[in-house]
Amino acid sequence: DGGITQSPKYLFRKEGQNVTLSCEQNLNHDAMYWYRQDPGQGLRLIYYSQIVNDFQKGDIAEGYSVSREKKESFPLTVTSAQKNPTAFYLCASSLRTGGDEQYFGPGTRLTVT
Amino acid sequence: AQSVAQPEDQVNVAEGNPLTVKCTYSVSGNPYLFWYVQYPNRGLQFLLKYITGDNLVKGSYGFEAEFNKSQTSFHLKKPSALVSDSALYFCAVRDIDTNAGKSTFGDGTTLTVKP
Repeated sequence: DGGITQSPKYLFRKEGQNVTLSCEQNLNHDAMYWYRQDPGQGLRLIYYSQIVNDFQKGDIAEGYSVSREKKESFPLTVTSAQKNPTAFYLCASSLRTGGDEQYFGPGTRLTVT
Repeated sequence: AQSVAQPEDQVNVAEGNPLTVKCTYSVSGNPYLFWYVQYPNRGLQFLLKYITGDNLVKGSYGFEAEFNKSQTSFHLKKPSALVSDSALYFCAVRDIDTNAGKSTFGDGTTLTVKP
């Protein structure tokens, strides 16, 4: 089955620790995205990548980092510099950008205490 | 800068009645517009999109949306609501002319369809 996988589903970390969220797609899509979802605030774009070895900051990139070394993988690291990291994180991909719709993974709920 | 507004946090309709979920957008250039739906504790699913051409677009599960350039709106509609349509709906925009790679989502509208 083609799709996007995110792991783990739930993640717990102590404050001050970096944590990496996994996102893999087997749809052969060029573009990949990371969003953060908080109650009442919709989805906010953290980073996006339109092609391998290239990525751009979204609206809320501070405290996050990404890499795109392989077409199918786009891991997100939540660093200790992110002041409010507890949230639901969604990864998505699209064939290209522009008019192509996004396909979303099931999400990772990160709790930092 | 691009933005999306979904003016209603919550929409309640009775099963069998028509439903409308509102969306307005702002872009510098021309828009690509999308609707997505999120069922509880799940990722988002694509419903429909406007790229070019006919202003009325049809999508999954009987939903449709009308692009209105003069009112900068892209309202989601369905002639007859089902209880199973209850979910969180997001409108999204991309600006074709300035940055087609970046999507901006609205804050979402919770649709509740009552039997």
